[in-house]
Amino acid sequence: ILNVEQSPQSLHVQEGDSTNFTCSFPSSNFYALHWYRWETAKSPEALFVMTLNGDEKKKGRISATLNTKEGYSYLYIKGSQPEDSATYLCALGSNYKLTFGKGTLLTVNP
Amino acid sequence: AAGVIQSPRHLIKEKRETATLKCYPIPRHDTVYWYQQGPGQDPQFLISFYEKMQSDKGSIPDRFSAQQFSDYHSELNMSSLELGDSALYFCASEPSGGALTDTQYFGPGTRLTVL
Repeated sequence: ILNVEQSPQSLHVQEGDSTNFTCSFPSSNFYALHWYRWETAKSPEALFVMTLNGDEKKKGRISATLNTKEGYSYLYIKGSQPEDSATYLCALGSNYKLTFGKGTLLTVNP
Repeated sequence: AAGVIQSPRHLIKEKRETATLKCYPIPRHDTVYWYQQGPGQDPQFLISFYEKMQSDKGSIPDRFSAQQFSDYHSELNMSSLELGDSALYFCASEPSGGALTDTQYFGPGTRLTVL
């Protein structure tokens, strides 16, 4: 059973703060690491798919890095805005399915 | 752009009843995944289909069955419902045969409540 861990479980920041959170996963048999953004009452929205050690991806103010050797990925949000408030899920792609972490709930206070 | 459609969005059933959840993937997506997310839990993989054939199976109870039809839509059938089946059921679709590096696109989910 794959174990994908995310920390912290929840996070409150002020508008304008930069923040980051972590996804940890088994480093063996790695195929892909997915990040999703999930707002309440909406579908999880794909942010990034990362496959290579050292991968770094960016989408606006959000970026992510990947270290497959030590089994972690960081998601960074620069200059958080209230609309960034959501649960950020990471998922390990293996055996033709995704194994999800529990997510980090981000609340950005105006 | 077309998204993954799930119906119904909300469903309330009594214990021991049967429920059918439907998923319509994005056009030209031939792979469908089902996930279950219980209260306070992370999404758990149930089952997947590629080209109308089951491609992988996760922690899906024997009381549940699923299939993918010729138009690629999928249905999850749940019988003898139990209180513990109350959850959000997500469907996701993918444009290829399950490549691990492809993005899965999620539907809005069906919230099933078993009373």
